[in-house]
Amino acid sequence: AQSVAQPEDQVNVAEGNPLTVKCTYSVSGNPYLFWYVQYPNRGLQFLLKYITGDNLVKGSYGFEAEFNKSQTSFHLKKPSALVSDSALYFCAVSSPSGGSYIPTFGRGTSLIVHP
Amino acid sequence: ETGVTQSPTHLIKTRGQQVTLRCSSQSGHNTVSWYQQALGQGPQFIFQYYREEENGRGNFPPRFSGLQFPNYSSELNVNALELDDSALYLCASSLWLAGAGYNEQFFGPGTRLTVL
Repeated sequence: AQSVAQPEDQVNVAEGNPLTVKCTYSVSGNPYLFWYVQYPNRGLQFLLKYITGDNLVKGSYGFEAEFNKSQTSFHLKKPSALVSDSALYFCAVSSPSGGSYIPTFGRGTSLIVHP
Repeated sequence: ETGVTQSPTHLIKTRGQQVTLRCSSQSGHNTVSWYQQALGQGPQFIFQYYREEENGRGNFPPRFSGLQFPNYSSELNVNALELDDSALYLCASSLWLAGAGYNEQFFGPGTRLTVL
């Protein structure tokens, strides 16, 4: 079985400071890893993905994530936070097990960026 | 290119009733997945359809059923509603290519279901 852990329910950061939202995963075989963002009363918006290749993945809105196989982590980062980045962030993992690539989502981390 | 749309936006039902939620996939996508997102939780996978056939199912009882139509739109049906079915139901579409390996999913805005 595959699983995702987002150990922080909430992350607070001041505008202009770097931010990190943590994610660790467990999966059989090679992981496919995703980050999504959800604004209030909205569906999930895709930010970035890791399938293979470079461990540092760049995505939308200046976000990036680093895949660390030894630590089974895929932390989301941004060098300089904006107030508009305040939202709910979900990490997800899937694998080709059974050919379905069905993702498992974490519980989400609420990011609050203070002016 | 149109995105994923869902209807209705909000719905209120009473326990024991049946409900149908609808999803229109993003143009060019051939796979649709449904998720249940309870308050304060991440999305939980219900099932996925590919070319009108169920292609994976999560840990949900049979009273959760679905359909995918030739135009790749989809329905989620829930019978005998229970209070715990109250949640945001998300539809996500993707393009499955044999051998491509992954499904990048595009989500609709969701349907908020309240069961009283």
